[in-house]
Amino acid sequence: DGGITQSPKYLFRKEGQNVTLSCEQNLNHDAMYWYRQDPGQGLRLIYYSQIVNDFQKGDIAEGYSVSREKKESFPLTVTSAQKNPTAFYLCASTWGQGAADTQYFGPGTRLTVL
Amino acid sequence: AQTVTQSQPEMSVQEAETVTLSCTYDTSESDYYLFWYKQPPSRQMILVIRQEAYKQQNATENRFSVNFQKAAKSFSLKISDSQLGDAAMYFCAYWDSNYQLIWGAGTKLIIKP
Repeated sequence: DGGITQSPKYLFRKEGQNVTLSCEQNLNHDAMYWYRQDPGQGLRLIYYSQIVNDFQKGDIAEGYSVSREKKESFPLTVTSAQKNPTAFYLCASTWGQGAADTQYFGPGTRLTVL
Repeated sequence: AQTVTQSQPEMSVQEAETVTLSCTYDTSESDYYLFWYKQPPSRQMILVIRQEAYKQQNATENRFSVNFQKAAKSFSLKISDSQLGDAAMYFCAYWDSNYQLIWGAGTKLIIKP
């Protein structure tokens, strides 16, 4: 079955640690996205990548970093510079290089800072 | 900057009845796309319906339909014959020409059996 996988489902981080969230897709989609979701709010874009080896900052990129070395993979690192990282993180992908295509989402990762 | 507003934080409907969720947006563009996504308790985000602004006909997907009023910048979602499985958060989203989706804050839909 084609789809998007995210791991882990739950992640706990200590203060000052960097952590990496995994996102893999086997849909052969060109574009991939990382969103952050906080209670009572819509999704906010962290980073997106339209092609391999290229990515762009979204509205809330500070304290996060990404890489896109393979078409299938778009890992997100939450660095210690992110002051309030506790949130639900969603990864998405689209067929084309524009978000007008339907975005398909992974199941999400819940990150909690201890 | 484009914005998306969902003015109903929570709605409830009796099973088998019809409910309408509201969404308004602000844009200066003439060609764009609008989406409704559903997020059930599992938190998996699922596309419900999509509307292209240049199409005057309202999109329909089975029990889900939209009322797209371009001049009023309104994009409401109507759910007919509500089912228990429709209980979820519903998000309205606007496609930004900078390759971003702009999201509303969501409406929590409760289905009463």
